[in-house]
Amino acid sequence: SFELTQPPSVSVSPGQTANITCSGDKLGQRYVCWYQQKAGQSPVLVIYRDNKRPSGIPERFSGSNSGDTATLTISGTQSMDEAEFYCQAWDSSTLWVFGGGTKLTVL
Amino acid sequence: QITLKESGPSLVKPTETLTLTCTFSGFSLSTREVGVGWLRQPPGKAPEWLALIYWDDDKRYSPSLKSRLSISKDTAKNQVVLTMTNLDPVDSATYYCAHKIPRDYSLDVWGQGTTVTVSS
Repeated sequence: SFELTQPPSVSVSPGQTANITCSGDKLGQRYVCWYQQKAGQSPVLVIYRDNKRPSGIPERFSGSNSGDTATLTISGTQSMDEAEFYCQAWDSSTLWVFGGGTKLTVL
Repeated sequence: QITLKESGPSLVKPTETLTLTCTFSGFSLSTREVGVGWLRQPPGKAPEWLALIYWDDDKRYSPSLKSRLSISKDTAKNQVVLTMTNLDPVDSATYYCAHKIPRDYSLDVWGQGTTVTVSS
């Protein structure tokens, strides 16, 4: 079955760039989206179709997807960005698939 | 503005059937390409997709849970209902419904979630 793998944690200093990866077989051939989930809240879509930002999502959030890896990039990371981030893709057999999540810590 | 809200029992006994209702506003499930999905998230774990229903009543289920799930819609009431049979304590989680972006597989608006505990 199709699986997505994320690093359990990423740390970044305020103002720096955070990169969160998501890997899967030939992931670049699928669309990937990213969700941010703060403690006690519902997930929020921050990137869809690899690199599109929904209305209201700050420009510091961006995405890319190539080969076997998709990357969520947060430029100028702020303390308010601290959260769990999940990637998601669609597979014809497994259908909607989520990565295991990456906890972003802003030190 | 799209909103969704889940409702249902907070406590269910093992082997019982769970019925959850998603009541939404801001869109119509009779509009082409629109879909509503159900997901769950155990504490400290990633979301798990369960089922999704499209505007044309096409239904998709998680392969691992397909035998236990049923999803339906009431377009007039703006509701989507998920039924899960033969519950087990491992099914304890927060259950969410979410709006699927038309012509895409991402879920752009999620409900607040409802917590379900399976215990005798």
